[in-house]
Amino acid sequence: QSALTQPASVSGSPGQSITISCTGTSSDVGRFNYVSWYQQHPGEAPKLMIYEVSNRPSGISNRFSGSKSGNTASLTISGLQAEDEGDYYCSAYTGSTTLVVFGGGTKVTVL
Amino acid sequence: EVQLVESGGGLVKPGESLRLSCAASEFTFSNAWMTWVRQTPGRGLEWVGRITSKTNGETTGYAAPVKGRFTISRDDSKNILYLQMSSLRSDDTGMYYCVRGLPGHWDDAFEIWGQGTMVTVSS
Repeated sequence: QSALTQPASVSGSPGQSITISCTGTSSDVGRFNYVSWYQQHPGEAPKLMIYEVSNRPSGISNRFSGSKSGNTASLTISGLQAEDEGDYYCSAYTGSTTLVVFGGGTKVTVL
Repeated sequence: EVQLVESGGGLVKPGESLRLSCAASEFTFSNAWMTWVRQTPGRGLEWVGRITSKTNGETTGYAAPVKGRFTISRDDSKNILYLQMSSLRSDDTGMYYCVRGLPGHWDDAFEIWGQGTMVTVSS
């Protein structure tokens, strides 16, 4: 059982927008603005898509955006494309003994 | 190209030990705080532990399930990160990734991932 709660699956048609939620507690998501999101394709390592709630690393499309309210963070993918299919994980820095906790992952399907 | 390459995974019996290595290239390894993350079918992605740079005291931190059994170390002269695992259990089975965070976000934004090395603990 993962520390952060994500929906198991989210789907959308090409061109649509989808949002993935990541719910934690005041000890993780709500504690700092250090929430990250990762994309993982089958057989590959995760890829950083968003950090510090809403920042995109160099090279990441602006179709990906992040936000946070209280103990829940969200990742929005706009203009959904076939290549966006994959698993998405959120993480939060806790500052505690277990420095980082992850969500259980959300499978994104492009219909 | 910035790269991390893990090695050392394999099949071991419960109670045995294993050492993973991670070779880093094309960045200043000695400045980087390095992390191990594992991925298991049952628990998904899981933070295992981290080591800071020598400048920051090579401070280590571990997740509760591995504390006391796993040890992270580094050899900056060889640009290699290690994960020494002992008293292995079946629930340690998974893919182990060597990870480097974004500079300034070493602990919270994992930018560079290796390809992973598989560890299987089974009798």
